[in-house]
Parts: sequence; C-alpha cells; structure tokens
Amino acid sequence: RKEVEQDPGPFNVPEGATVAFNCTYSNSASQSFFWYRQDCRKEPKLLMSVYSSGNEDGRFTAQLNRASQYISLLIRDSKLSDSATYLCAVNMGKKSSGDKLTFGTGTRLAVRP
Amino acid sequence: DAGVIQSPRHEVTEMGQEVTLRCKPISGHNSLFWYRQTMMRGLELLIYFNNNVPIDDSGMPEDRFSAKMPNASFSTLKIQPSEPRDSAVYFCASSFLPSGRVEDEQYFGPGTRLTVT
Repeated sequence: RKEVEQDPGPFNVPEGATVAFNCTYSNSASQSFFWYRQDCRKEPKLLMSVYSSGNEDGRFTAQLNRASQYISLLIRDSKLSDSATYLCAVNMGKKSSGDKLTFGTGTRLAVRP
Repeated sequence: DAGVIQSPRHEVTEMGQEVTLRCKPISGHNSLFWYRQTMMRGLELLIYFNNNVPIDDSGMPEDRFSAKMPNASFSTLKIQPSEPRDSAVYFCASSFLPSGRVEDEQYFGPGTRLTVT
C-alpha cells in the first residue's frame, strides 16, 4: 500500500459545481497534512494546511479524519480557474520522517463552462 | 522577493552525460528539498538538507545521483552518468524549519525539465 494515495481523476465538473477529493495515508502517526495545487507545467503551491478541527478558506474546505486516516478537500462553486492538479502531502511524524513531506500523485480537476 | 531559483529550466542531454541542476533557495530559509516528478511515480523526495547538512537521502535512486549544499544559498543535484529513465521534472523547494517544529509551507522553484535521450 502506498503511503499516501489519491484518486488520479480526472474530475470533470461544470462551473458552479461542488467537488470533493479524498486522500488516504497509511501511517497513523502522521502529524501534518496539506493540500497543494499544481497548474499544468508549473510548480506545486500550497493551497491550505489541514487542521484537526477542519478549516475553511473561502470556497475551499479541508478536513481531517484521523480514525479513517484520510483528508479531504471540498471546493464549492467551482470556477474555470480551479482547473489544476491537487496534491495532498503528509508529514509522517518527526521521529519517523523528520521534516519531509510525502506527496500523493495528485487528483486532476477540469472545470468546464 | 525572489522565490526559489532553479537552473537550467530545460536540459536535453544524451545518455551517459553528466547533468548538473542548480538551486538557490529563498534567503533566510534553512531547509532545502530536491524532488523528482514523473507521470508514473508522481512527486518523489530525493534528498533534503537542514542548515546545509544532508538529513535524509533515502530517496536518492542510486549512486549515479549526488547532491551538495556548500552554503545556505546554493545547492546542486548531479546525475552521472545520466540515463533515459532519469527524464523527469526536478523541483527544488525551500522552507524555514524552526528547531523542534515541523513548519508548514515548502516553496517550490519552477523546476528543471530534464530529457535524456
């Protein structure tokens, strides 16, 4: 089993739709969780961190489910400009992995007019 | 402020040649990460440095790969000899990691697209 797994998609949705991505992780000791966004032929950029209590930033909501070992990203009222690949990243815990992040392979989102 | 700077942006080379990728992290950042991204394997960490010291190189594929960080503002990733399977996008990222705490954001450079023929 991979340490961090994502559905590669693509998710094809119309503008205005709500779309959700999940990301599962294998190590129950994982401590920190993030969503990155990567546009085609560009570098990944941090979209948001994921906190235990869940967090929201505008149209984006991230949640963490420790019992089931997954994180989720919800995008409401999707825009054409949301089309990108969304990567989840997990720090497995300082003792086991130091400061490094393990990334999923990404979920591709395509928003159509 | 300048972000992470990588050079070259594109590199095409023949199998067997030496390839050197360069990275200048964001000023003030104390950790530097080298990643490789391919369609098949996604984004993989190769090695990371903290305060110029290599901390974890378990992701380095084999002895053909080596990385150095001679000072806080410069790092290189070298592949010698290169092979076609090394073709990928290589990203450098930097962050500030206070002692004893996992910091949040890694800032990625634009990447070097390497093609080995």
